Amino acid sequence: DTGVSQDPRHKITKRGQNVTFRCDPISEHNRLYWYRQTLGQGPEFLTYFQNEAQLEKSRLLSDRFSAERPKGSFSTLEIQRTEQGDSAMYLCASSLLVAGVNTEAFFGQGTRLTVV
Amino acid sequence: GNSVTQMEGPVTLSEEAFLTINCTYTATGYPSLFWYVQYPGEGLQLLLKATKADDKGSNKGFEATYRKETTSFHLEKGSVQVSDSAVYFCALSVSRAGSYQLTFGKGTKLSVIP
Repeated sequence: DTGVSQDPRHKITKRGQNVTFRCDPISEHNRLYWYRQTLGQGPEFLTYFQNEAQLEKSRLLSDRFSAERPKGSFSTLEIQRTEQGDSAMYLCASSLLVAGVNTEAFFGQGTRLTVV
Repeated sequence: GNSVTQMEGPVTLSEEAFLTINCTYTATGYPSLFWYVQYPGEGLQLLLKATKADDKGSNKGFEATYRKETTSFHLEKGSVQVSDSAVYFCALSVSRAGSYQLTFGKGTKLSVIP
């Protein structure tokens, strides 16, 4: 397993367009997290999945954002009607929760979104 | 709520100097504490962690001790190398409703010069 992979690594889009990012977690991991990191800040939690169920969404996740993990494997994060304020690095992380113990979160390299 | 405050950078040190990056936290509940490192062009990597008071996490010569009385988790290394140049993030995780989401500080950029 090569770790958490994210695609694309970079995305430039015009304001108002829709974009979709993909995350492939470590194969045996049942938890998947999305974070957003803006310049000069630490990552901020957006949402997470336990298998295919989306269990929590941050207030940062406006109604223009939607995330899915349809078969409990890869996940997609879609942003509709992008705004310049959406420009950021979008990070995906995965972990394994077993018997109430969560392993460390492994992060992908992120997708850098620039909205022009 | 939960929050992490870490010393602002950038920090520039000469090779073999002693490193301290301060980190303090506030948390509802009993957090686990982490230091993550982000090398240029790479993703976040876990550097070390501590899950209960007085635990010391260590890895690659870095150490941090979970101090509940001062709500701190300062990162230290006795002798830094050029290869340690990176951005370091302090983070906490609380099992609130089982989410284990991470709350990060803003990061501290370290540059080590030969």
